Amino acid sequence: GAGVSQSPSNKVTEKGKDVELRCDPISGHTALYWYRQSLGQGLEFLIYFQGNSAPDKSGLPSDRFSAERTGGSVSTLTIQRTQQEDSAVYLCASSLSAGVGDEQFFGPGTRLTVL
Amino acid sequence: GQSLEQPSEVTAVEGAIVQINCTYQTSGFYGLSWYQQHDGGAPTFLSYNALDGLEETGRFSSFLSRSDSYGYLLLQELQMKDSASYFCAVRGGGATNKLIFGTGTLLAVQP
Repeated sequence: GAGVSQSPSNKVTEKGKDVELRCDPISGHTALYWYRQSLGQGLEFLIYFQGNSAPDKSGLPSDRFSAERTGGSVSTLTIQRTQQEDSAVYLCASSLSAGVGDEQFFGPGTRLTVL
Repeated sequence: GQSLEQPSEVTAVEGAIVQINCTYQTSGFYGLSWYQQHDGGAPTFLSYNALDGLEETGRFSSFLSRSDSYGYLLLQELQMKDSASYFCAVRGGGATNKLIFGTGTLLAVQP
């Protein structure tokens, strides 16, 4: 079946604009994660969804960042009033559930550049 | 807090064996995972160790010692296509199972 997909693959925006990043997880996967990867760095956890609920938002860096998930499937990460330090690759991952043995499958990411 | 340390770069030749080490400090421990990421690509899962010992999957093996808070990824019969970044990650456990990643090791395989 299809893997995790993300859109757009690249987004260039001006400082102060809002952006929306989309993630389509693997069908049937109830757990969905957003991570951020800055140039040459490891991945930084942002938020976790189980179904449509987000029990862990601890990684969101500021209140400019928000995310939602609808129908237990598609998720959207929104960044308001973007800043240059928001430039990074935003990666989405899904897993069958949130069990410790459940592998997370990653999408190709959205590369966000804030000018 | 949680932190993971890995070497930043490793260089090896085709056909050789290379070991990438990872030491971690965590408030709780639910297993150590390894991911491979080619330049511009998505991280892909390689292995997961919940218990001490060696897990083998083809040319790749992963080892964990919980008492030493240490693990490693062993790559054998290196191929050029193995040139990539390798990340160790600790599972957050609890209700989320989020992954806490190290900063990654860039492996360069030379002919």
